Amino acid sequence: QKEVEQNSGPLSVPEGAIASLNCTYSDRGSQSFFWYRQYSGKSPELIMFIYSNGDKEDGRFTAQLNKASQYVSLLIRDSQPSDSATYLCAVNILGQAGTALIFGKGTTLSVSS
Amino acid sequence: EAGVTQSPTHLIKTRGQQVTLRCSPISGHTSVYWYQQALGLGLQFLLWYDEGEERNRGNFPPRFSGRQFPNYSSELNVNALELEDSALYLCASSLWSGPSTEAFFGQGTRLTVV
Repeated sequence: QKEVEQNSGPLSVPEGAIASLNCTYSDRGSQSFFWYRQYSGKSPELIMFIYSNGDKEDGRFTAQLNKASQYVSLLIRDSQPSDSATYLCAVNILGQAGTALIFGKGTTLSVSS
Repeated sequence: EAGVTQSPTHLIKTRGQQVTLRCSPISGHTSVYWYQQALGLGLQFLLWYDEGEERNRGNFPPRFSGRQFPNYSSELNVNALELEDSALYLCASSLWSGPSTEAFFGQGTRLTVV
């Protein structure tokens, strides 16, 4: 069973702090890694994706990938109350008939003002 | 540009009934994915359609089925509804089906089985 694991949280940080969200995956063949944000009662929205080892920055968001450790993380700098949401890690799993995105259960982030 | 649209937004069905959910992908997207999000279980992969064919399915019973039409829209059918089928059903589309594909979600259909 190919799995994506996330700490469910809640992760609580004060406004302006750095929030660090972590994700591990079991399939060494995974090639692509995605972070989605889901507000309560809404559908997931794509924040960013990463394919290569190292860091990828997009505004206040930085994704970090370490394929050897099968670990991907999302850093949110200068956290805002509007960042309070559930963050879903998704990993591209290569199956027999092609690929599919497998999601972790998500980490709930709460940013206090 | 319109995003992924799903209909209906909410649905209440009785146990044992059948239901059809619909999804229109973003214009130009050929791949459609269906996910189930039940309380406390996260997003569970249901089905993936690309170019009109079923490419992969998750660990769900055969009463979950679907199809993709020539215009790339898709339907998800669930037969013999059970109480545990109550969930948010999400459709996502992507431009193509490679490993680096970014998938974009619709607003979902909230199904309640009573």
